[in-house]
Amino acid sequence: DGGITQSPKYLFRKEGQNVTLSCEQNLNHDAMYWYRQDPGQGLRLIYYSQIVNDFQKGDIAEGYSVSREKKESFPLTVTSAQKNPTAFYLCASIITGKGNQPQHFGDGTRLSIL
Amino acid sequence: SQQGEEDPQALSIQEGENATMNCSYKTSINNLQWYRQNSGRGLVHLILIRSNEREKHSGRLRVTLDTSKKSSSLLITASRAADTASYFCATDDRDDKIIFGKGTRLHILP
Repeated sequence: DGGITQSPKYLFRKEGQNVTLSCEQNLNHDAMYWYRQDPGQGLRLIYYSQIVNDFQKGDIAEGYSVSREKKESFPLTVTSAQKNPTAFYLCASIITGKGNQPQHFGDGTRLSIL
Repeated sequence: SQQGEEDPQALSIQEGENATMNCSYKTSINNLQWYRQNSGRGLVHLILIRSNEREKHSGRLRVTLDTSKKSSSLLITASRAADTASYFCATDDRDDKIIFGKGTRLHILP
């Protein structure tokens, strides 16, 4: 079955530590997205990539970094510069980088601070 | 850059009743989408309606779009316990990104 896999499901970060969230898709989609969701809130865009080896900042990119070395993979690193990283992180993909297509989502990673 | 705003923020209804959620947005759009999110899970796409469409159906879902009022509504008929979830509207922006609202939390009472 095609889909998006996010791992791990739960992640704990110590102060000053960088952590990386994995997102893999086998849908052959070109574009991939990372969102942050806080309790009772909508999704805020962190980074997105419309093609391999290219990515753009979203609305809340500070304290985060990404790479897109392969079409299937779009890992997100939450750096120590992100002072309030506790949130639910969602990865999504779309067949092309156009806003007129439905996004497919993974089941998220919940990040907490130790 | 919030575009869509859902109303109400939360809604509780009896099983079997119809549920209506509304979405308002600020700038012109090419299309509007509705998604469902079960607790602790990712979002699932429900329906997409284009700016030149006024109404669209999918099973028990009915979506309307009024571009003159910059608003959309999602109607779920004959609600079931499994419909308990958060529902989000999403609109496209000029950079082809999708912008999500804050959602409506729907609770179906047995």
